[in-house]
Amino acid sequence: AQSVTQPDIHITVSEGASLELRCNYSYGATPYLFWYVQSPGQGLQLLLKYFSGDTLVQGIKGFEAEFKRSQSSFNLRKPSVHWSDAAEYFCAVGAGADKLIFGTGTRLQVFP
Amino acid sequence: KAGVTQTPRYLIKTRGQQVTLSCSPISGHRSVSWYQQTPGQGLQFLFEYFSETQRNKGNFPGRFSGRQFSNSRSEMNVSTLELGDSALYLCASSPTRLSEETQYFGPGTRLLVL
Repeated sequence: AQSVTQPDIHITVSEGASLELRCNYSYGATPYLFWYVQSPGQGLQLLLKYFSGDTLVQGIKGFEAEFKRSQSSFNLRKPSVHWSDAAEYFCAVGAGADKLIFGTGTRLQVFP
Repeated sequence: KAGVTQTPRYLIKTRGQQVTLSCSPISGHRSVSWYQQTPGQGLQFLFEYFSETQRNKGNFPGRFSGRQFSNSRSEMNVSTLELGDSALYLCASSPTRLSEETQYFGPGTRLLVL
């Protein structure tokens, strides 16, 4: 069955520190992978996506993610976190042509 | 371009009532998907429409239904509301289909069932 696992429910980092959010997927075919961010009371904003090609993907707000087929992973990274990055982050896989399967999310807290 | 818009943003209903939520996709987008977000179940796919046809459906009871109009606007309806239907309902649009394009999400409609 198709699934996405985000093993970290809650992560706390200091402002300026580096960040890595983990995402593992289970999908039989070539996956389409996404990272979205959600601020409280808001919808989802796309950070970056992987469809094919270069496995290191650059996104908005200084985020990047690396697709590793051998590990079924698509981890999100940022070299230096800003207080405004505090939010909930969702990894998702495109299941078939028309729907997304989401992970349970990782809540990021940033301390000054 | 204007983003995905959803109306209303907030809604309070009582058990047994029905509710209709509306979604206007980004101009030129023909695919509209709906998702339910709850603290317990997370983000779950409801259904997807393209050119007024439902192409895909998630594992929700028949009380949840939707439709799409010729201008790509979409509505979803929930009949005989239950307490567990309290959630944030998110709409997303894409030009054609997810395998080729990205889905862009609206701000959501927060439904509270009392």
